[in-house]
Amino acid sequence: AQKITQTQPGMFVQEKEAVTLDCTYDTSDPSYGLFWYKQPSSGEMIFLIYQGSYDQQNATEGRYSLNFQKARKSANLVISASQLGDSAMYFCAIRRTGGYQKVTFGTGTKLQVIP
Amino acid sequence: GAGVSQTPSNKVTEKGKYVELRCDPISGHTALYWYRQSLGQGPEFLIYFQGTGAADDSGLPNDRFFAVRPEGSVSTLKIQRTERGDSAVYLCASSPGGGEGTEAFFGQGTRLTVV
Repeated sequence: AQKITQTQPGMFVQEKEAVTLDCTYDTSDPSYGLFWYKQPSSGEMIFLIYQGSYDQQNATEGRYSLNFQKARKSANLVISASQLGDSAMYFCAIRRTGGYQKVTFGTGTKLQVIP
Repeated sequence: GAGVSQTPSNKVTEKGKYVELRCDPISGHTALYWYRQSLGQGPEFLIYFQGTGAADDSGLPNDRFFAVRPEGSVSTLKIQRTERGDSAVYLCASSPGGGEGTEAFFGQGTRLTVV
């Protein structure tokens, strides 16, 4: 079984500042992938970034970076230079690799960017 | 279309009625997933299809829920004898395959309200 824990139900950040959204996970699978999705008020889940469990380097995608600490089983999302459009729900998720596998999501963190 | 399309976007039904929710995945995507998202929660896995077959239906809550994907493209989630507890946003996602790093692309969901 896999589990994602997001302990921050809500976060505020000043525009142009960086923010870290926490995610810890639990899995017994030796190989897995970690995802972050953004869900704006429109409801669509937007893929942001992916980290494989065997990747040596932390993933980065533009202003998004994933701080992956395998020993601590954490996969925090860092958003640099926050923008008003970053205000949304953010979900961390995990999936076992190999073939078609379901994705297990956390409960999410609501980020609000303050002008 | 370019993205995952779900219809209807909103559905209000009376308790005890039958409903069908439709998902049109991205063309060529072989994997299709259904998730349910209750208010304030992360998406909860229901079922995924590999082509025409249900590869994993372990998330379906009970036998009132059923999904099909007869031609390996469009999928329909069917709910019989709806209950108020079925009210949620039903999300569909598709992906080109199950390989590592293959993110799922989500539709905007169908908001089901059972009154």
